[in-house]
Amino acid sequence: AQKITQTQPGMFVQEKEAVTLDCTYDTSDQSYGLFWYKQPSSGEMIFLIYQGSYDEQNATEGRYSLNFQKARKSANLVISASQLGDSAMYFCAMRVMTTDSWGKLQFGAGTQVVVTP
Amino acid sequence: DAGVIQSPRHEVTEMGQEVTLRCKPISGHDYLFWYRQTMMRGLELLIYFNNNVPIDDSGMPEDRFSAKMPNASFSTLKIQPSEPRDSAVYFCASSLVQLRGSVGYTFGSGTRLTVV
Repeated sequence: AQKITQTQPGMFVQEKEAVTLDCTYDTSDQSYGLFWYKQPSSGEMIFLIYQGSYDEQNATEGRYSLNFQKARKSANLVISASQLGDSAMYFCAMRVMTTDSWGKLQFGAGTQVVVTP
Repeated sequence: DAGVIQSPRHEVTEMGQEVTLRCKPISGHDYLFWYRQTMMRGLELLIYFNNNVPIDDSGMPEDRFSAKMPNASFSTLKIQPSEPRDSAVYFCASSLVQLRGSVGYTFGSGTRLTVV
């Protein structure tokens, strides 16, 4: 069975600093995708970044980058130059592409980030 | 693009009543998902559809829950009868899954259900 683990329940980070959110996953499948979502206090789920298991380059989207270490099965999110608006819950998620679960997206428990001035 | 549209945004109902949550996915997306979010259990996948066909409903907690997708632009999640432990935020999401890469899964704003 596939599993997503986020070991950091909460983090404080100072404005303008970088923060790394940990995510490890467990799957025996070769083809999968990893996602990060942001959920601010307003509740919506905002897609941030995606990494495919066959992608050789680490994904980047503006201030977000994904540190993908396939052998270690980790997909950490790095937020550079934190802003107060980055305060939110962050979820790591995985999609495994098998005939049984094509398209199914499974989430970790989330990490609450608080950015302080 | 209006995104994934869910209604209602908030629902308060009495225990034992029927509750129907609605979702309109993004046009052209071929997957639709229903998730439930609670403090205790996080985000749980309840059921998902591909081209209007239910693929996996193993996350549906019990027979009180049912979901339908009569066409590509509409889905419902029904709880009958509702119980206080069903109180949660229910998200609908849609996606166009590609073999390589992904356009991402787009979530609706959610329906906050309170059963008293």
